[in-house]
Amino acid sequence: RKEVEQDPGPFNVPEGATVAFNCTYSNSASQSFFWYRQDCRKEPKLLMSVYSSGNEDGRFTAQLNRASQYISLLIRDSKLSDSATYLCVVRKEGKLIFGQGTELSVKP
Amino acid sequence: GAGVSQSPSNKVTEKGKDVELRCDPISGHTALYWYRQSLGQGLEFLIYFQGNSAPDKSGLPSDRFSAERTGGSVSTLTIQRTQQEDSAVYLCASSLYSSGTEAFFGQGTRLTVV
Repeated sequence: RKEVEQDPGPFNVPEGATVAFNCTYSNSASQSFFWYRQDCRKEPKLLMSVYSSGNEDGRFTAQLNRASQYISLLIRDSKLSDSATYLCVVRKEGKLIFGQGTELSVKP
Repeated sequence: GAGVSQSPSNKVTEKGKDVELRCDPISGHTALYWYRQSLGQGLEFLIYFQGNSAPDKSGLPSDRFSAERTGGSVSTLTIQRTQQEDSAVYLCASSLYSSGTEAFFGQGTRLTVV
């Protein structure tokens, strides 16, 4: 079993749709959590950190459930520019572990 | 510059040759990470440094791969006797600390072994 697992993609949605990504991690000792975004042939960039209380940044909401070892990302009112691969990232003992990523394609 | 810098950006090498990939982290960042990404695949962890020491080398695929970091700054990833399966984008990232803080990536080195 992979240490960080994400929904398989791709997700194809129309503009304005709400889309949710899920992620599970296997090690309860994991310490911090992030969502990154990676555009085609570019380096990953931080989208947002994920806090236990949940956090929101504009159209993006991240949730963490430590008991279930589950992380989610919700994107509301999706834009064409949201098309990318979304990477769930878990830090354990200093090491950053990436999920395989979920590809999102937002269509007009 | 303010960001993570990697060089070269592209490298084509013949099978069997050695290559060195360089990473200049953001100034003051104590943690440095190396990843490998093959086409259409996720990020594969290779190694990470806290200062000059490497607490976790578990991702290095074989003994042909080695990495060092000097002065708590620049890191070099060396691949000896390159093979075609080593072709990938090698990404370096740095973070202020090894806990709690996000990592910032360089643009990567695209390695092609012919």
